[in-house]
Amino acid sequence: GAGVSQSPSNKVTEKGKDVELRCDPISGHTALYWYRQSLGQGLEFLIYFQGNSAPDKSGLPSDRFSAERTGGSVSTLTIQRTQQEDSAVYLCASSSRVGFATNEKLFFGSGTQLSVL
Amino acid sequence: SQQGEEDPQALSIQEGENATMNCSYKTSINNLQWYRQNSGRGLVHLILIRSNEREKHSGRLRVTLDTSKKSSSLLITASRAADTASYFCATDLYTGTASKLTFGTGTRLQVTL
Repeated sequence: GAGVSQSPSNKVTEKGKDVELRCDPISGHTALYWYRQSLGQGLEFLIYFQGNSAPDKSGLPSDRFSAERTGGSVSTLTIQRTQQEDSAVYLCASSSRVGFATNEKLFFGSGTQLSVL
Repeated sequence: SQQGEEDPQALSIQEGENATMNCSYKTSINNLQWYRQNSGRGLVHLILIRSNEREKHSGRLRVTLDTSKKSSSLLITASRAADTASYFCATDLYTGTASKLTFGTGTRLQVTL
Protein backbone atom coordinates (compact mmCIF):
# COMPACT_ATOMS: atom_id res chain seq x y z
CA GLY A 1 0.00 0.00 0.00
CA ALA A 2 0.89 3.65 -0.16
CA GLY A 3 1.53 3.98 3.54
CA VAL A 4 1.50 2.16 6.86
CA SER A 5 -2.01 1.05 7.70
CA GLN A 6 -3.23 0.32 11.22
CA SER A 7 -6.52 -1.13 12.31
CA PRO A 8 -8.72 -0.49 14.09
CA SER A 9 -8.20 3.25 14.39
CA ASN A 10 -10.09 3.22 17.68
CA LYS A 11 -10.79 0.38 20.08
CA VAL A 12 -12.82 0.53 23.26
CA THR A 13 -12.71 -2.55 25.41
CA GLU A 14 -13.56 -3.67 28.89
CA LYS A 15 -10.94 -4.42 31.49
CA GLY A 16 -9.89 -8.05 31.34
CA LYS A 17 -10.67 -8.56 27.65
CA ASP A 18 -8.04 -9.41 25.02
CA VAL A 19 -7.39 -7.09 22.07
CA GLU A 20 -5.54 -7.48 18.78
CA LEU A 21 -4.06 -4.54 16.95
CA ARG A 22 -3.00 -4.88 13.35
CA CYS A 23 -0.28 -3.18 11.33
CA ASP A 24 0.20 -3.43 7.57
CA PRO A 25 3.59 -1.92 6.67
CA ILE A 26 4.72 -0.35 3.45
CA SER A 27 5.29 -3.06 0.87
CA GLY A 28 8.92 -4.18 0.80
CA HIS A 29 9.86 -2.68 4.17
CA THR A 30 11.84 -5.23 6.13
CA ALA A 31 11.69 -3.57 9.54
CA LEU A 32 8.52 -2.99 11.56
CA TYR A 33 8.23 -1.19 14.89
CA TRP A 34 5.61 -0.90 17.61
CA TYR A 35 5.51 2.09 19.96
CA ARG A 36 3.07 3.19 22.64
CA GLN A 37 2.22 6.77 23.47
CA SER A 38 0.25 7.72 26.55
CA LEU A 39 -1.64 11.01 26.59
CA GLY A 40 0.75 13.93 26.33
CA GLN A 41 3.81 11.72 26.62
CA GLY A 42 6.67 10.65 24.40
CA LEU A 43 6.90 7.40 22.50
CA GLU A 44 7.67 4.22 24.40
CA PHE A 45 9.43 1.55 22.34
CA LEU A 46 7.73 -1.85 22.55
CA ILE A 47 9.27 -4.16 19.94
CA TYR A 48 10.72 -4.24 16.49
CA PHE A 49 10.88 -6.91 13.80
CA GLN A 50 13.54 -7.48 11.20
CA GLY A 51 11.73 -9.74 8.78
CA ASN A 52 9.74 -12.13 10.97
CA SER A 53 12.24 -12.07 13.84
CA ALA A 54 12.15 -9.80 16.86
CA PRO A 55 15.75 -9.21 18.03
CA ASP A 56 14.66 -7.16 21.02
CA LYS A 57 11.49 -7.82 23.00
CA SER A 58 12.63 -6.03 26.14
CA GLY A 59 10.27 -3.10 25.59
CA LEU A 60 7.12 -5.15 26.03
CA PRO A 61 5.62 -3.93 29.36
CA SER A 62 4.56 -7.33 30.64
CA ASP A 63 3.88 -10.92 29.60
CA ARG A 64 0.35 -9.83 28.72
CA PHE A 65 1.82 -8.22 25.62
CA SER A 66 2.92 -10.24 22.61
CA ALA A 67 3.55 -9.51 18.96
CA GLU A 68 4.11 -11.51 15.85
CA ARG A 69 4.88 -10.87 12.23
CA THR A 70 4.19 -13.34 9.49
CA GLY A 71 5.44 -13.44 5.92
CA GLY A 72 7.64 -10.45 6.60
CA SER A 73 4.59 -8.24 6.27
CA VAL A 74 1.56 -7.83 8.54
CA SER A 75 2.10 -7.67 12.29
CA THR A 76 -0.31 -8.06 15.16
CA LEU A 77 0.15 -6.79 18.68
CA THR A 78 -1.93 -8.70 21.21
CA ILE A 79 -2.73 -7.49 24.70
CA GLN A 80 -4.27 -10.09 26.97
CA ARG A 81 -6.40 -9.30 30.03
CA THR A 82 -6.30 -5.58 29.33
CA GLN A 83 -5.88 -3.12 32.18
CA GLN A 84 -6.81 0.54 32.35
CA GLU A 85 -3.13 1.53 32.26
CA ASP A 86 -2.92 -0.06 28.80
CA SER A 87 -5.00 2.83 27.45
CA ALA A 88 -2.83 4.69 24.95
CA VAL A 89 -2.21 5.24 21.27
CA TYR A 90 -0.34 2.30 19.75
CA LEU A 91 1.78 3.37 16.81
CA CYS A 92 3.31 1.16 14.17
CA ALA A 93 6.11 2.18 11.84
CA SER A 94 8.11 0.52 9.09
CA SER A 95 11.39 1.19 7.36
CA SER A 96 13.69 -0.24 4.74
CA ARG A 97 16.31 -0.97 7.39
CA VAL A 98 18.60 -3.82 6.45
CA GLY A 99 21.56 -3.31 8.73
CA PHE A 100 22.22 -3.33 12.42
CA ALA A 101 21.68 0.37 13.02
CA THR A 102 18.57 2.43 12.35
CA ASN A 103 19.91 4.53 9.52
CA GLU A 104 16.66 4.95 7.67
CA LYS A 105 13.65 7.07 8.44
CA LEU A 106 10.54 5.49 9.86
CA PHE A 107 7.15 5.76 8.24
CA PHE A 108 4.36 5.80 10.80
CA GLY A 109 0.77 4.71 10.67
CA SER A 110 -2.00 6.82 12.18
CA GLY A 111 -2.14 4.64 15.26
CA THR A 112 -4.79 2.77 17.21
CA GLN A 113 -6.35 4.62 20.12
CA LEU A 114 -7.03 1.97 22.76
CA SER A 115 -9.36 2.80 25.60
CA VAL A 116 -9.80 0.28 28.41
CA LEU A 117 -12.85 0.93 30.55
CA SER B 1 14.13 5.55 30.39
CA GLN B 2 14.20 8.12 27.63
CA GLN B 3 17.37 8.38 25.60
CA GLY B 4 16.53 11.87 24.40
CA GLU B 5 15.13 14.86 26.20
CA GLU B 6 13.76 17.87 24.36
CA ASP B 7 13.87 21.39 25.67
CA PRO B 8 11.70 23.35 26.08
CA GLN B 9 8.69 21.13 26.74
CA ALA B 10 6.44 23.80 25.26
CA LEU B 11 7.09 26.83 23.08
CA SER B 12 4.68 29.54 21.97
CA ILE B 13 5.68 32.04 19.29
CA GLN B 14 4.08 34.33 16.76
CA GLU B 15 3.95 33.64 13.06
CA GLY B 16 7.09 34.80 11.31
CA GLU B 17 9.35 34.24 14.30
CA ASN B 18 11.96 31.51 14.49
CA ALA B 19 11.52 28.49 16.74
CA THR B 20 14.44 26.63 18.28
CA MET B 21 14.13 23.27 19.99
CA ASN B 22 16.93 21.37 21.65
CA CYS B 23 17.54 17.69 22.23
CA SER B 24 20.04 16.08 24.57
CA TYR B 25 20.89 12.40 24.63
CA LYS B 26 22.95 10.08 26.78
CA THR B 27 24.91 7.56 24.75
CA SER B 28 26.87 7.41 21.51
CA ILE B 29 24.71 7.46 18.43
CA ASN B 30 24.89 6.54 14.76
CA ASN B 31 22.45 9.24 13.76
CA LEU B 32 19.77 11.51 15.13
CA GLN B 33 16.38 12.11 13.55
CA TRP B 34 13.66 14.72 14.05
CA TYR B 35 9.96 13.95 13.67
CA ARG B 36 6.79 15.99 13.80
CA GLN B 37 3.44 14.88 15.21
CA ASN B 38 0.11 16.53 14.63
CA SER B 39 -2.87 15.86 16.90
CA GLY B 40 -1.28 12.98 18.81
CA ARG B 41 -1.30 10.51 15.94
CA GLY B 42 1.25 9.36 13.36
CA LEU B 43 4.68 10.97 13.22
CA VAL B 44 6.24 12.38 10.08
CA HIS B 45 9.98 12.27 9.48
CA LEU B 46 11.60 15.69 9.04
CA ILE B 47 15.35 15.21 8.83
CA LEU B 48 18.15 12.77 9.65
CA ILE B 49 21.64 13.88 10.60
CA ARG B 50 24.49 11.38 10.84
CA SER B 51 27.04 11.36 13.63
CA ASN B 52 29.78 12.65 11.30
CA GLU B 53 27.68 15.64 10.20
CA ARG B 54 27.44 18.92 12.10
CA GLU B 55 24.66 20.74 10.28
CA LYS B 56 21.92 19.96 7.82
CA HIS B 57 19.26 22.01 6.08
CA SER B 58 15.89 21.15 4.59
CA GLY B 59 13.71 24.03 3.46
CA ARG B 60 12.98 26.17 6.53
CA LEU B 61 14.52 23.56 8.83
CA ARG B 62 18.07 23.67 10.13
CA VAL B 63 19.44 20.91 12.33
CA THR B 64 22.75 20.95 14.16
CA LEU B 65 24.49 18.12 15.96
CA ASP B 66 27.22 18.40 18.59
CA THR B 67 28.38 14.90 19.48
CA SER B 68 30.84 16.20 22.08
CA LYS B 69 27.95 17.74 24.01
CA LYS B 70 25.51 14.99 23.03
CA SER B 71 23.01 17.55 21.83
CA SER B 72 21.11 18.62 18.75
CA SER B 73 18.94 21.59 17.86
CA LEU B 74 16.11 22.06 15.38
CA LEU B 75 15.52 25.55 14.06
CA ILE B 76 12.36 26.40 12.16
CA THR B 77 12.70 29.76 10.43
CA ALA B 78 9.84 32.11 9.54
CA SER B 79 7.32 29.93 11.37
CA ARG B 80 3.75 29.52 10.19
CA ALA B 81 0.56 28.57 11.99
CA ALA B 82 0.72 25.24 10.17
CA ASP B 83 3.98 24.45 12.01
CA THR B 84 1.97 24.03 15.21
CA ALA B 85 2.71 20.46 16.30
CA SER B 86 4.86 18.39 18.64
CA TYR B 87 8.45 17.80 17.63
CA PHE B 88 10.49 14.79 18.71
CA CYS B 89 14.12 13.87 18.38
CA ALA B 90 15.02 10.21 18.02
CA THR B 91 18.32 8.44 18.44
CA ASP B 92 19.57 4.99 17.63
CA LEU B 93 20.25 3.15 20.87
CA TYR B 94 22.20 -0.08 21.10
CA THR B 95 20.67 -2.34 23.75
CA GLY B 96 23.19 -5.15 23.68
CA THR B 97 21.10 -7.39 21.50
CA ALA B 98 19.79 -4.98 18.92
CA SER B 99 19.63 -1.38 17.89
CA LYS B 100 16.39 0.54 18.28
CA LEU B 101 15.19 4.06 17.61
CA THR B 102 14.20 5.78 20.84
CA PHE B 103 12.29 9.03 21.05
CA GLY B 104 12.52 11.98 23.37
CA THR B 105 9.66 13.51 25.29
CA GLY B 106 8.89 16.14 22.65
CA THR B 107 8.46 19.88 22.38
CA ARG B 108 4.95 21.23 21.83
CA LEU B 109 5.16 24.20 19.47
CA GLN B 110 2.28 26.66 19.20
CA VAL B 111 2.48 29.26 16.44
CA THR B 112 -0.10 32.00 16.71
CA LEU B 113 -1.22 34.51 14.10
